[in-house]
Amino acid sequence: IAGITQAPTSQILAAGRRMTLRCTQDMRHNAMYWYRQDLGLGLRLIHYSNTAGTTGKGEVPDGYSVSRANTDDFPLTLASAVPSQTSVYFCASSAQMNTEAFFGQGTRLTVV
Amino acid sequence: GQQLNQSPQSMFIQEGEDVSMNCTSSSIFNTWLWYKQDPGEGPVLLIALYKAGELTSNGRLTAQFGITRKDSFLNISASIPSDVGIYFCAGFIIQGAQKLVFGQGTRLTINP
Repeated sequence: IAGITQAPTSQILAAGRRMTLRCTQDMRHNAMYWYRQDLGLGLRLIHYSNTAGTTGKGEVPDGYSVSRANTDDFPLTLASAVPSQTSVYFCASSAQMNTEAFFGQGTRLTVV
Repeated sequence: GQQLNQSPQSMFIQEGEDVSMNCTSSSIFNTWLWYKQDPGEGPVLLIALYKAGELTSNGRLTAQFGITRKDSFLNISASIPSDVGIYFCAGFIIQGAQKLVFGQGTRLTINP
C-alpha cells in the first residue's frame, strides 16, 4: 500500500524558475492538502481541495497554485520561485472532511 | 496566522516521566488530531478525536477533546526514548470550508 507519494524528494531550484511538486494518493480520499513547514512555524496550509474539481486557499497561498483534475492527484505549482519559498512541503489527504489526515514524506525545496 | 496555540513549545524531561501538552484556540473545532513527527519524516497520526468531551487512549498516549470545542490536550505516560520528536495538534475548523490547521508543535527531548 503506497498511501501518499510525493515527488521529488528534494530539489534545488534557481529563483525565477517554475516548479511543480507532485502528490498522488491511492486511498481514494476526497480531501487533499498542501503544507509548508518552516523551522519554528509548524505546518502552514497553502491550498486544499475538499473534493476533485474544487480547491481553496489556506493561510499562505501567495506564489502557489494547485489543481485537482481527479481524485488521486493534487500538484502544487510555483510559477516563479523565490528564495522565501525554500521550505519542506508536505502533501496530505483525508477520506472526507473532518476525518484524520495522512501525510506524505515531504519534498525539501531549496530556492537559490 | 496560526489559529491554534500549542504549548509548551519544548520540553526536556527524564525518561519515565509523564508529559502533558495542550492546544487552545479562539475558534471552534469539530475534530482534533494529534501527530508526531520524527526528523526527516512526515507527521504520523497518533490520536483522532471527534466529540466534545471525548477521551481516547492509544497505548501510553491519552488525548481529550475539550468540552468547549476550543481546546485539546495530549498526555504521554512513562516516557521512553522513542517518544522523542515533535508533537503537533491539528483541527478542522467548523466555519466555512473545511481547513485542517496545525499548532506550532511541541519538541520533546528525553534524557535517559
